[in-house]
Amino acid sequence: AQSVTQLGSHVSVSEGALVLLRCNYSSSVPPYLFWYVQYPNQGLQLLLKYTTGATLVKGINGFEAEFKKSETSFHLTKPSAHMSDAAEYFCAVSERDYKLSFGAGTTVTVRA
Amino acid sequence: DTAVSQTPKYLVTQMGNDKSIKCEQNLGHDTMYWYKQDSKKFLKIMFSYNNKELIINETVPNRFSPKSPDKAHLNLHINSLELGDSAVYFCASSQGGQGAKAFFGQGTRLTVV
Repeated sequence: AQSVTQLGSHVSVSEGALVLLRCNYSSSVPPYLFWYVQYPNQGLQLLLKYTTGATLVKGINGFEAEFKKSETSFHLTKPSAHMSDAAEYFCAVSERDYKLSFGAGTTVTVRA
Repeated sequence: DTAVSQTPKYLVTQMGNDKSIKCEQNLGHDTMYWYKQDSKKFLKIMFSYNNKELIINETVPNRFSPKSPDKAHLNLHINSLELGDSAVYFCASSQGGQGAKAFFGQGTRLTVV
C-alpha cells in the first residue's frame, strides 16, 4: 500500500521568505504525486502533479516541487511567500485508478 | 458555472436522522468521489464511481449509501446519523486514470447534534 507523510503540521513564514513543505511517500510502484491547496472554507485545488518525466514540476501561483526517487520525497517550494499563500496544503499519492490518498496536511501562515 | 457543486453547504441535524447530500459536476468527467474531512482536516476517500459503477468503497459503514443516477451526479445518503459523522464531506470528479487531476466541490459541513 502507498502512503504519504507530511513533515510539520504547521509552517509559519514571513512574507517574502521561502516556503518549504515536506512530503515523503512510500510506494512499491512508481507513484503519481500531487499537491493540493485548500483555502479557508473551500474545496481543494490542484497546485501541481508528478506522473512521469521531468522531476521538477512547476505549478500554479509560483509553486514547484521536485520528485526525488532516492529520497522518496516530493517537497513543495515557493521562493517568496505572499499573504495569499496562507492555506492548508495537502500532499497526495494516487495508489491506483480512482483513488487519491492524502497526507495529514500542513497549515501555512504568512507573517507580514 | 461551478464545476463541482454540492448541496447543501451546511447541514445540522439530530442523531438518528437520515440525510442526503447532492453533488453535480458539469465537466463531463467519468469519475466521481466522496471524501470525508474530519476535524483535524484529515481527508479520507469514502467512495469512487466510474461511469456510474462503484469502484471503491473504503470500509465505510453501511449507513452511508452513495447513488449515481448518471455520470454527472453522485449523491450521498446517510442513515441513522451519529455524532461521529460530523465532518466536512467533499465531492470530487476527474477524467482519466491514476494521474488525473481531481476537481473538488466546496464541501458540505455536516454537524450532528
